[in-house]
Amino acid sequence: AQKVTQAQTEISVVEKEDVTLDCVYETRDTTYYLFWYKQPPSGELVFLIRRNSFDEQNEISGRYSWNFQKSTSSFNFTITASQVVDSAVYFCALLQETSGSRLTFGEGTQLTVNP
Amino acid sequence: GAGVSQTPSNKVTEKGKYVELRCDPISGHTALYWYRQSLGQGPEFLIYFQGTGAADDSGLPNDRFFAVRPEGSVSTLKIQRTERGDSAVYLCASSLNRLGKVNEQFFGPGTRLTVL
Repeated sequence: AQKVTQAQTEISVVEKEDVTLDCVYETRDTTYYLFWYKQPPSGELVFLIRRNSFDEQNEISGRYSWNFQKSTSSFNFTITASQVVDSAVYFCALLQETSGSRLTFGEGTQLTVNP
Repeated sequence: GAGVSQTPSNKVTEKGKYVELRCDPISGHTALYWYRQSLGQGPEFLIYFQGTGAADDSGLPNDRFFAVRPEGSVSTLKIQRTERGDSAVYLCASSLNRLGKVNEQFFGPGTRLTVL
């Protein structure tokens, strides 16, 4: 069985605060891939990052960083110095090698950054 | 280059009617996916095409739903005898997926289907 849990339904911060979005996944596969997508109010899902299960190295891209920990089955996403334009719904997703190419999404976290 | 496009952007229909939703993937992408997103939830997988064939259609909820991709590019999702519960945003995505390698999926803007 595969499952993605994003326990934070909504988060509200003030601009320039740092914020971390949590993602916990369940899988029995040893080979799998994790993704983060952003869905702004316009509705289109925007790809942010992909990691495979063999690469636990954390990644930083500008104000975005990702912390992948297999020991806790977590793939958390941090936005540093948040901006109003970061306001969106963020989805974590899992792709298992044995489940073909389907993505299993979490329920999403609505992030609101207030000026 | 152009991203994934979907038409129409909005579709309102009456219960029992037939609808077709179209997806144009990114040029050169061999894999195409359909997902359905209900309000306040994450997208749910419906069907995956690799080339012209449906490699995985296990996510289709019932036999009222059908999808085709006859030439390995454009895909059409078809829903017969629509029900109010079919109301959702239908998302299409495409990816390279060459030589068995997993690539990220790029999504279109979606078609919002409302069944009255």
